[in-house]
Amino acid sequence: AQSVTQPDIHITVSEGASLELRCNYSYGATPYLFWYVQSPGQGLQLLLKYFSGDTLVQGIKGFEAEFKRSQSSFNLRKPSVHWSDAAEYFCAVVRGSTLGRLYFGRGTQLTVWP
Amino acid sequence: DTGVSQNPRHKITKRGQNVTFRCDPISEHNRLYWYRQTLGQGPEFLTYFQNEAQLEKSRLLSDRFSAERPKGSFSTLEIQRTEQGDSAMYLCASSLGVNTGELFFGEGSRLTVL
Repeated sequence: AQSVTQPDIHITVSEGASLELRCNYSYGATPYLFWYVQSPGQGLQLLLKYFSGDTLVQGIKGFEAEFKRSQSSFNLRKPSVHWSDAAEYFCAVVRGSTLGRLYFGRGTQLTVWP
Repeated sequence: DTGVSQNPRHKITKRGQNVTFRCDPISEHNRLYWYRQTLGQGPEFLTYFQNEAQLEKSRLLSDRFSAERPKGSFSTLEIQRTEQGDSAMYLCASSLGVNTGELFFGEGSRLTVL
């Protein structure tokens, strides 16, 4: 069965530092992969997605992610973190044939120090 | 703002009572999803509608749960005979039929069962 692992429950970085959030998936075929962000009091928002093609995908708010089939990973990166990036980040994979049926990881809480 | 709207935002109820949540999706979106999120976990898929048809249901959706989307617009999620284990955030999301894979989430309805 498909699954998503986010090994880091909580990450703290200083403002301006680089960021990498890890995501590993288990899936038998080419996965459809997503990163969503959940800020306090707001709904989940899509940062970026990978369906096929270029394995480095660009998203909103300066985020990017790289799909590595050999490592079953889809790590999220940002070169310079802003205080407003503090939020919870979820990696997700499509489960089944319905694109909207997502299987989410447990999330990584990001704290940004000024 | 014409995003996904959920009501009520917070519901406190006693065990054994029935509760109903409402979701108003983005108006042109014909797909609507319900997810459940418990503390420290990622959202879990419950069910999905295309227009008024309920096309998929998770095993998480026990017979105490029922969801409807009578006219293909708003949706309701009813929980009968609530249990303490039902305490969670219930998230609604919508998407376009020609699916890019992007779900637009509401802010959620938090249920607390005493």
